[in-house]
Amino acid sequence: GAGVSQTPSNKVTEKGKYVELRCDPISGHTALYWYRQSLGQGPEFLIYFQGTGAADDSGLPNDRFFAVRPEGSVSTLKIQRTERGDSAVYLCASSLYSEGYNEQFFGPGTRLTVL
Amino acid sequence: AQKVTQAQTEISVVEKEDVTLDCVYETRDTTYYLFWYKQPPSGELVFLIRRNSFDEQNEISGRYSWNFQKSTSSFNFTITASQVVDSAVYFCALSGLSGGSNYKLTFGKGTLLTVNP
Repeated sequence: GAGVSQTPSNKVTEKGKYVELRCDPISGHTALYWYRQSLGQGPEFLIYFQGTGAADDSGLPNDRFFAVRPEGSVSTLKIQRTERGDSAVYLCASSLYSEGYNEQFFGPGTRLTVL
Repeated sequence: AQKVTQAQTEISVVEKEDVTLDCVYETRDTTYYLFWYKQPPSGELVFLIRRNSFDEQNEISGRYSWNFQKSTSSFNFTITASQVVDSAVYFCALSGLSGGSNYKLTFGKGTLLTVNP
């Protein structure tokens, strides 16, 4: 079956521009996570959605970052007034949601480069 | 706050050597999950193993084995008879046990393993 997909795979933008990164989770997965992986680092948590709502956005670095998931499936991570320090790979993961543990399946990521 | 430390930034071995990747973690939770992920050059994170804090039994899967020691807050990963295809960045990670947002993963910085022919 189809895994988590992310588009675009690469995005190059100029400092100060607005970007949107898209995540298509595995069908039926109600939990969705965004992580950011800077060069030479492990992924860092940004935000978690359960259904349509952002249940935990404690990892968003500042108010330039925002994410939505209006229909409980596809999610878009939005970055305003991009800065060079935003350059990283943005990873999306999805999982089933139930009382027990459910594995997070990761997408291939979007590599964002801010010039 | 949760923290995962992988002190080895890079390791280089020759094929067929055994190699151990170290992971030390910190958490205030009394129950938690520990993970290892592999990130090959293609970039996609590949899940290898999950252990919960209740279960300190070591686990072996083919050439891979994991040693969980709660007393030292360590969860080390050994590859026996390494192969060139094992070359990748390996991440250790930690999450809570109680579901939802608690499942968000805290990753270490990773260890780059290079296996030379």
